[in-house]
Amino acid sequence: NAGVTQTPKFRVLKTGQSMTLLCAQDMNHEYMYWYRQDPGMGLRLIHYSVGEGTTAKGEVPDGYNVSRLKKQNFLLGLESAAPSQTSVYFCASSYPGLAYEQYFGPGTRLTVT
Amino acid sequence: AQTVTQSQPEMSVQEAETVTLSCTYDTSESDYYLFWYKQPPSRQMILVIRQEAYKQQNATENRFSVNFQKAAKSFSLKISDSQLGDAAMYFCAYRSSQGAQKLVFGQGTRLTINP
Repeated sequence: NAGVTQTPKFRVLKTGQSMTLLCAQDMNHEYMYWYRQDPGMGLRLIHYSVGEGTTAKGEVPDGYNVSRLKKQNFLLGLESAAPSQTSVYFCASSYPGLAYEQYFGPGTRLTVT
Repeated sequence: AQTVTQSQPEMSVQEAETVTLSCTYDTSESDYYLFWYKQPPSRQMILVIRQEAYKQQNATENRFSVNFQKAAKSFSLKISDSQLGDAAMYFCAYRSSQGAQKLVFGQGTRLTINP
């Protein structure tokens, strides 16, 4: 049981390049989330999904797209990276229901130069 | 929209002493959950403690306890008998009872333990 995994762990992009971050969970969770963490700002929600084939915008969705084609995977895409997207990205997942906690992946550090 | 505020960017405490981290939040809801997460240098987010808003009793987990003041919208974390391994960033978070259980985080408090 690996929990929540993220690929890659580190990445450096040039402005304008594109990339996809992969989040995978093996706990059969319905809900999945993408957050970004910036110094002095805590974690902020980018996009989330309440089930396979569904996605919704969070607090800071601009410049990102997501897809949830399979229940266990949640992909975060940057079509044209900008320096403002330099951040640490966390994926999380949970069962529906208030009693259930969110489980976080180890994070991806992305630098855009 | 809900907001969470941690007004202490940094705190330090002597090993074996007690420290309290502050958190306030703003919401118009009556039913919600509050959390404290720990983030050590490894970056992993670790759930420390949770509090259901409908419960009057403050949550406790070993050396960690909270002081939940619903009317004041305050949710502080007390760490007793501080240990070197407690050094980390600590985040307060709010989760609504509505919608997709999204978390709203505070800015974080960096806790240093002095030996």
